[in-house]
Amino acid sequence: NAGVMQNPRHLVRRRGQEARLRCSPMKGHSHVYWYRQLPEEGLKFMVYLQKENIIDESGMPKERFSAEFPKEGPSILRIQQVVRGDSAAYFCASSPVRGPYGYTFGSGTRLTVV
Amino acid sequence: KNEVEQSPQNLTAQEGEFITINCSYSVGISALHWLQQHPGGGIVSLFMLSSGKKKHGRLIATINIQEKHSSLHITASHPRDSAVYICAVMGETSGSRLTFGEGTQLTVNP
Repeated sequence: NAGVMQNPRHLVRRRGQEARLRCSPMKGHSHVYWYRQLPEEGLKFMVYLQKENIIDESGMPKERFSAEFPKEGPSILRIQQVVRGDSAAYFCASSPVRGPYGYTFGSGTRLTVV
Repeated sequence: KNEVEQSPQNLTAQEGEFITINCSYSVGISALHWLQQHPGGGIVSLFMLSSGKKKHGRLIATINIQEKHSSLHITASHPRDSAVYICAVMGETSGSRLTFGEGTQLTVNP
């Protein structure tokens, strides 16, 4: 059981480019959560997805950010036209059911926008 | 005021000392997590609590639901315990998302 796999671990993008962050949940987990950790700040919720559905996107910025969790393949967090303020660590977590049980985090993707 | 408050923000201890990190929250919760994050590293879940007390090795976590307070204790601290410890709550009405405290930076000196 490889745990929650996030890739890439580090991603450098120039301003205006697109960033795609991938998250493969643990085997048997169908619930995925994305969190962002800005420099010197705490973790903040972005979006909660279940296979093919966005359940809660109340933490997603209104523009440039989108997330999906298709029937096959990893969950993708997509940031279009990145700006310096998007530089952060993005963490994915997964769980087998809705709720606190089995909540497991990935190692994160560190995005740097230059 | 944040929904989740941790104290202290920074903590320096000598190897072998007993350490306590506190977490207070202001909403009704279904569960509380204690997480560990090493510099540049991922996040590891140490405990998930909804009541009472849990122990794993040198780590002990307690929660008092009525007082909306939890503590993480480390006995016989070691330099490898140096990390950021984060309290996170799952609110009763917030679905499955977690709300995090700001974290406690623990440094254990040999």
